[in-house]
Amino acid sequence: EAQVTQNPRYLITVTGKKLTVTCSQNMNHEYMSWYRQDPGLGLRQIYYSMNVEVTDKGDVPEGYKVSRKEKRNFPLILESPSPNQTSLYFCASSLSFRGNQPQHFGDGTRLSIL
Amino acid sequence: DAKTTQPPSMDCAEGRAANLPCNHSTISGNEYVYWYRQIHSQGPQYIIHGLKNNETNEMASLIITEDRKSSTLILPHATLRDTAVYYCIVRPGFGNEKLTFGTGTRLTIIP
Repeated sequence: EAQVTQNPRYLITVTGKKLTVTCSQNMNHEYMSWYRQDPGLGLRQIYYSMNVEVTDKGDVPEGYKVSRKEKRNFPLILESPSPNQTSLYFCASSLSFRGNQPQHFGDGTRLSIL
Repeated sequence: DAKTTQPPSMDCAEGRAANLPCNHSTISGNEYVYWYRQIHSQGPQYIIHGLKNNETNEMASLIITEDRKSSTLILPHATLRDTAVYYCIVRPGFGNEKLTFGTGTRLTIIP
């Protein structure tokens, strides 16, 4: 089944403890992206990647890192998490960066930073 | 990116067609109209997209006006599982595929 898989689905942790949220897709998609969703603010893009080893900042990249060493994986790294990074996170992928290719989303990761 | 305007909420009786409008009067020639929905806090689910012509797939139909300034998403036989927030988005034909989700329409299917 074609899908975008995020792990973990839920995580409660403490300020400053490094964490990684993994994202994997099995559709051979070139484009991958991370979003966060907060009440009243909609989905905001954190980082995106147009292909392997090509990443760029989205609208809210501060406090996050990403890497794209393999086509299928696009982990989101919080080096020193803070409470303002408590949010619902979504990974998405699409065949390419072209606008006629729909993005497909994972089921989300709910992070709580205490 | 062009902005979209959607009604904040709508109700539809189960089994009837749900027609969700979207206004995108500033859309430019190379921008696509996309529809997604989000059920509770699940990941947004892609429904359908189009550029100029009307489109239909197994989930829905998309009707785009000739001037492309508005569109309507049609769920032909709404079920309770179609209760969700529906987002209409316009996106350029190429470049960073960032999706800008507005507030959407909260569709409630009434038994």
